Amino acid sequence: DTGVSQNPRHKITKRGQNVTFRCDPISEHNRLYWYRQTLGQGPEFLTYFQNEAQLEKSRLLSDRFSAERPKGSFSTLEIQRTEQGDSAMYLCASSLLAANSGNTIYFGEGSWLTVV
Amino acid sequence: AQSVTQLDSQVPVFEEAPVELRCNYSSSVSVYLFWYVQYPNQGLQLLLKYLSGSTLVKGINGFEAEFNKSQTSFHLRKPSVHISDTAEYFCAVSERRSSYDKVIFGPGTSLSVIP
Repeated sequence: DTGVSQNPRHKITKRGQNVTFRCDPISEHNRLYWYRQTLGQGPEFLTYFQNEAQLEKSRLLSDRFSAERPKGSFSTLEIQRTEQGDSAMYLCASSLLAANSGNTIYFGEGSWLTVV
Repeated sequence: AQSVTQLDSQVPVFEEAPVELRCNYSSSVSVYLFWYVQYPNQGLQLLLKYLSGSTLVKGINGFEAEFNKSQTSFHLRKPSVHISDTAEYFCAVSERRSSYDKVIFGPGTSLSVIP
């Protein structure tokens, strides 16, 4: 059973550039989540999908952020016109929505973004 | 909407001593509760979870937590800590709805085990 896989693990980009992160969830999981985490803080919810449908997007998320999950498999998170405040670790997680299983999510290793 | 509070941002404790990390939540409906651990530069790993049934939940690495509905708490405990337990610990909550809601995390508690 492979876990949640995220790529790239580290990304350094210049301010104003676009970046894209990819997440491959655990194979049978139908829910996929994106979180953002800065040093000393807990994961901050960004958005989540059930299969290919995006169920919710955080109101704190600017229009520069967009996420997709075509065909309900892998997902991408794109940040356009990056700003220094976007520097953080972006965490992907997945879960299997099923009766009596609770909403237990499993995380990937994260993708570090540094905007210079 | 649900929320999670972890009152202790840092907890130093001597090796082999007991520890308790506190977690309180707020929700208008029933919830699922979780504790995750994060080691430096890594993702979060599930320690334990409360879905239903017994309010005392046992997890990995000798940790356990007790769900207290009246106090809306889910404190994490370990009777004897090791150096390897030094890490960030996050409490999380998910509301129990017909279609499960997102998982919200607390700000975390940094556990430092002193030799």
